[in-house]
Amino acid sequence: GAVVSQHPSWVICKSGTSVKIECRSLDFQATTMFWYRQFPKQSLMLMATSNEGSKATYEQGVEKDKFLINHASLTLSTLTVTSAHPEDSSFYICSASYGAGTSGSHGETQYFGPGTRLLVL
Amino acid sequence: KQEVTQIPAALSVPEGENLVLNCSFTDSAIYNLQWFRQDPGKGLTSLLLIQSSQREQTSGRLNASLDKSSGRSTLYIAASQPGDSATYLCAVTWYGGATNKLIFGTGTLLAVQP
Repeated sequence: GAVVSQHPSWVICKSGTSVKIECRSLDFQATTMFWYRQFPKQSLMLMATSNEGSKATYEQGVEKDKFLINHASLTLSTLTVTSAHPEDSSFYICSASYGAGTSGSHGETQYFGPGTRLLVL
Repeated sequence: KQEVTQIPAALSVPEGENLVLNCSFTDSAIYNLQWFRQDPGKGLTSLLLIQSSQREQTSGRLNASLDKSSGRSTLYIAASQPGDSATYLCAVTWYGGATNKLIFGTGTLLAVQP
């Protein structure tokens, strides 16, 4: 149980184009989804947190107009990298959590997707 | 600033050896600490989660300990196998932060030689 999928698993695009990455919770309803970015030989950095039906909360330094997040249902969140540039090339990983608590409570396990590798030429 | 550090960055051991991975964190007011495994080009698999009130957790050949006062956690792997080769990440959630915000260390790349 608690499987999270991402699509596509990898994508190559030209500079200036937009890329959409999907994150789905396959067998549970995710109240919260998280988007992380991982550059080579670096750790995961949280980009934003999204709750179903509300606007995402972005971490400091992450441009919300460049990284558009939509969490339209309890099983799907999308990350759109707008006007992608080579410096946006990275490994993007989503995670999803479900819990009995309200938002703001800790301890809800995050289940991670397999990641999407983006290469912008 | 709340930070997580892992040493060593890389480790190579022969099969069958017991080993210890280290994780240190600033600010002892943690809510929990987790250890993850990441295979090359893949997502994360949760291995162990230690709540702040706990001192250790065990799962099979893995044992994770937590010492909040010194800001350290260790992951002990017994009788290592080639299949254990992966990057191991520790991540901390602190009190007072946003919901479930995980701060990750940079990881330890483990290679177990057959």
